[in-house]
Amino acid sequence: AQSVAQPEDQVNVAEGNPLTVKCTYSVSGNPYLFWYVQYPNRGLQFLLKYITGDNLVKGSYGFEAEFNKSQTSFHLKKPSALVSDSALYFCAVRDVGDYKLSFGAGTTVTVRA
Amino acid sequence: DTAVSQTPKYLVTQMGNDKSIKCEQNLGHDTMYWYKQDSKKFLKIMFSYNNKELIINETVPNRFSPKSPDKAHLNLHINSLELGDSAVYFCASSPKGTASGNTIYFGEGSWLTVV
Repeated sequence: AQSVAQPEDQVNVAEGNPLTVKCTYSVSGNPYLFWYVQYPNRGLQFLLKYITGDNLVKGSYGFEAEFNKSQTSFHLKKPSALVSDSALYFCAVRDVGDYKLSFGAGTTVTVRA
Repeated sequence: DTAVSQTPKYLVTQMGNDKSIKCEQNLGHDTMYWYKQDSKKFLKIMFSYNNKELIINETVPNRFSPKSPDKAHLNLHINSLELGDSAVYFCASSPKGTASGNTIYFGEGSWLTVV
């Protein structure tokens, strides 16, 4: 079985400060990990994914994520947050050979000016 | 150009009615999905088709029936709607689904309200 945990319901940061959104996962094999962002009344937009290789993955809009196998984590980061980054962020995992993508509960990010 | 499009975007209907949500993707993908997002924003997969073949059928009431006329379309039909069916339904697609690293692309969602 595969699962994802996002331990923080909400993250609040000031504009210009670093942003981190936490994610831990559980799979039986090697994980495929994804981050998506959802703006109000919109669909999910793909940000980045980890499949294999370099543990630091760079994605859209200046976001990056670091895969840590020993800690089973895939935290999303942005060095300098913008007010426009305020949205709902989802971490997701897929086990090897599985079609199903399982999502975490989501973390609401609020960036204040 | 909209990659995954679904209609209608908003739907308000009465309990007991039957309704359909249509989805089309122009990405040339083989695999399509329906996800449900509840009022707490939790996302759960409902169905998935790969090349018109049903491959995922989660624990969903049999009032929900997906239909895939071709690999570019996956429609969702709901019979005898109940208040608890109110949610946002997302259609999505991905390239050939056997490669687990493939990205899933989502539509803009269909907001269903049952009154």
